[in-house]
Amino acid sequence: AQKVTQAQTEISVVEKEDVTLDCVYETRDTTYYLFWYKQPPSGELVFLIRRNSFDEQNEISGRYSWNFQKSTSSFNFTITASQVVDSAVYFCALSGFNNNDMRFGAGTRLTVKP
Amino acid sequence: SAVISQKPSRDICQRGTSLTIQCQVDSQVTMMFWYRQQPGQSLTLIATANQGSEATYESGFVIDKFPISRPNLTFSTLTVSNMSPEDSSIYLCSVAAGGVNSPLHFGNGTRLTVT
Repeated sequence: AQKVTQAQTEISVVEKEDVTLDCVYETRDTTYYLFWYKQPPSGELVFLIRRNSFDEQNEISGRYSWNFQKSTSSFNFTITASQVVDSAVYFCALSGFNNNDMRFGAGTRLTVKP
Repeated sequence: SAVISQKPSRDICQRGTSLTIQCQVDSQVTMMFWYRQQPGQSLTLIATANQGSEATYESGFVIDKFPISRPNLTFSTLTVSNMSPEDSSIYLCSVAAGGVNSPLHFGNGTRLTVT
């Protein structure tokens, strides 16, 4: 069975601080995919990144970066120099061979204060 | 990425009634999914809507309560039947526009309140 754990329920930071959102996953699949989504207060889900299990390269996109470590089954997400617009709920998700087994973590609510 | 239109965006319904939610995609997609997000909670997959065959339901969800139609590759409906206040949630349609294991893209959701 697939499982995603986001232990941080809520995080509050002050603008310009760096913040890391943790994601730990469990799977028996050798091929799997990891995702991060953002859900701002407006409610829509915005896709941020997908990673497959064979690609452990870290990725940076502007102020966002992702650290994938198979050894610890973690796929953490860091926002550098946070901004108020980053305030949202962030979900980590895991899928196996098919999207129909995608599982979402409980989400981390990030509040960035001015 | 696919553009997904979901209707209605919100509704307030009385218990015992049913509501049908529509999901229209601007391109043909093989897989469409229906999720539920209860207040303050994560997303839970209800079912996979298959074109030309019955939907595949996840544990805890049954066809009698959540009948799904998928008449073609761009459209699906989810009905929430015989509603109770516990059905108050956001219901989200999603598609894997790029094929298997491509990121899911979501509609804006239907915010349902059952009184």
